Amino acid sequence: KNQVEQSPQSLIILEGKNCTLQCNYTVSPFSNLRWYKQDTGRGPVSLTIMTFSENTKSNGRYTATLDADTKQSSLHITASQLSDSASYICVVSQGSGNTGKLIFGQGTTLQVKP
Amino acid sequence: DAGVIQSPRHEVTEMGQEVTLRCKPISGHDYLFWYRQTMMRGLELLIYFNNNVPIDDSGMPEDRFSAKMPNASFSTLKIQPSEPRDSAVYFCASSLGGRSYGYTFGSGTRLTVV
Repeated sequence: KNQVEQSPQSLIILEGKNCTLQCNYTVSPFSNLRWYKQDTGRGPVSLTIMTFSENTKSNGRYTATLDADTKQSSLHITASQLSDSASYICVVSQGSGNTGKLIFGQGTTLQVKP
Repeated sequence: DAGVIQSPRHEVTEMGQEVTLRCKPISGHDYLFWYRQTMMRGLELLIYFNNNVPIDDSGMPEDRFSAKMPNASFSTLKIQPSEPRDSAVYFCASSLGGRSYGYTFGSGTRLTVV
């Protein structure tokens, strides 16, 4: 069964600290993996997209890693800020091109406290 | 570009009433998607269009839901009659080139059926 599982479900950290969110998937055939940030009351916004051959990609203080062998990805947030408080969704694309399907994780809710 | 524009942002309606949600995709994008997001089920794809033609509506929950895309710059999602279990946030997204490529989400319509 094609699934994307994220952990933890929720996380509270202090401002300035680092954190890592996890994503495990069982999606085949794999096309790409993306991380989205969703602020409360807003639509998801793409942070990173990685294909099979990429094992790390950064976007400012966000760094995503991908291990295609173990089918795991992580999103590392460095020096967290209050504005990082949001839901982070891992999405795996199955197949490719016009027939590809997106499989969504349930998200990790991150709260950054001052 | 103003991004994907959805209206209304919030809708409260009584059970049994007809509800119409609207979406304006990004100019030039040839794919348009409708999603529903709930706490229990996360993001679910309802239907998507390519060049204004519905391609896959297998996610539409039942006949009470219908979607149209009369032209490249406008789409509607209609629920008739609405039920309390339809309460959710409905997102529209658009992309250029296909389901496996990055898309842009709108800010969503929060629907409450009482």
